[in-house]
Amino acid sequence: SQTIHQWPATLVQPVGSPLSLECTVEGTSNPNLYWYRQAAGRGLQLLFYSVGIGQISSEVPQNLSASRPQDRQFILSSKKLLLSDSGFYLCAWSPTGGNYGYTFGSGTRLTVV
Amino acid sequence: RKEVEQDPGPFNVPEGATVAFNCTYSNSASQSFFWYRQDCRKEPKLLMSVYSSGNEDGRFTAQLNRASQYISLLIRDSKLSDSATYLCVVNPYRLSFGAGTTVTVRA
Repeated sequence: SQTIHQWPATLVQPVGSPLSLECTVEGTSNPNLYWYRQAAGRGLQLLFYSVGIGQISSEVPQNLSASRPQDRQFILSSKKLLLSDSGFYLCAWSPTGGNYGYTFGSGTRLTVV
Repeated sequence: RKEVEQDPGPFNVPEGATVAFNCTYSNSASQSFFWYRQDCRKEPKLLMSVYSSGNEDGRFTAQLNRASQYISLLIRDSKLSDSATYLCVVNPYRLSFGAGTTVTVRA
């Protein structure tokens, strides 16, 4: 069966510090991968999605970036965090093709102080 | 206009009650539809897909109205464990999530 791992679960970082969040998927090949952010009391905002290694599409311009160095690995990064980057970051995957729901990782709760 | 709009609630209902809520979507080309459940401070989890003819999963019934571009979720015989935020999700080309409807079931 497929599983998705996301870490760390919680993170407190000072303003201006770098960020690296990692997500890996097991049990499938060539998944579509997504990074979402959910601000407190708000809906899910799609940040990036990837349909293959090295293929990244950005939905919202901001000081975040994403990379997919391996088929089942998706990384969210920032060089300098802002207070507004605080939120609940969720990685998700779906099979390629078709109209499937997404499966989410357990999320990283980031607080920028 | 938002792609998916939901009544945020909260819907506060007693145990055993029936609760129903809708969401509307803007893109008529949407091909697939889902309801997700999100517990407080947790990740969203797929509750059920929504099919054109409507479908049930235990106490949960989902309906799709393509003409009016809305989907609905009905929960019968509510349990305390049904307390959560329910996210409406549509897929014109990638999943678009509504902001959620909060349901609180009280004893």
